[in-house]
Amino acid sequence: DAGVTQSPTHLIKTRGQHVTLRCSPISGHKSVSWYQQVLGQGPQFIFQYYEKEERGRGNFPDRFSARQFPNYSSELNVNALLLGDSALYLCASSGSSGGYTFGSGTRLTVV
Amino acid sequence: AQSVTQLGSHVSVSEGALVLLRCNYSSSVPPYLFWYVQYPNQGLQLLLKYTSAATLVKGINGFEAEFKKSETSFHLTKPSAHMSDAAEYFCAVSLPQGDTNAGKSTFGDGTTLTVKP
Repeated sequence: DAGVTQSPTHLIKTRGQHVTLRCSPISGHKSVSWYQQVLGQGPQFIFQYYEKEERGRGNFPDRFSARQFPNYSSELNVNALLLGDSALYLCASSGSSGGYTFGSGTRLTVV
Repeated sequence: AQSVTQLGSHVSVSEGALVLLRCNYSSSVPPYLFWYVQYPNQGLQLLLKYTSAATLVKGINGFEAEFKKSETSFHLTKPSAHMSDAAEYFCAVSLPQGDTNAGKSTFGDGTTLTVKP
């Protein structure tokens, strides 16, 4: 059984650029959540999507957006990148039993 | 609003000693509670979860945690530490499934566990 897969694993972007991160949930999981983990801190909630609808949004600027596709995979988009957006971006999928399965994350470095 | 406080950003124990990682939470409704472990350059792995059933929850790798409503605590323990337990541990709280915000978990800042030989 494949776990949560995220791509790419690492990327480097320049300030002002745009980035798209991708996530495929565990088969059968309809909920996908995105988190940002800055070095030395716990993950911070960005978005949750369930059945292609946004169900929750954290305290992040409008530069951050996301969507979920009919196959339940998801994309996180960040526009006008800032140095402070450098972080590990984690995707998690959940089913009906509660708790998440996290992917290994995408390490974004903004230079 | 929900919040989590992990007491002690660094904990060091000797191999074979008791591991105790502390977590206190705040929630306006009965919460779901989780402990995750994170190894360097990896994602988070679920150790155990409390979802309003038994208050003593057993997880993987010999870890367990006890939900104490009166103390608003959910401390993680392991009787005997192993070198492979060295990692960062995160406590998290969420609303019960079914709530419109059930997908959102609030995490603590983590506790780094060091195991000395």
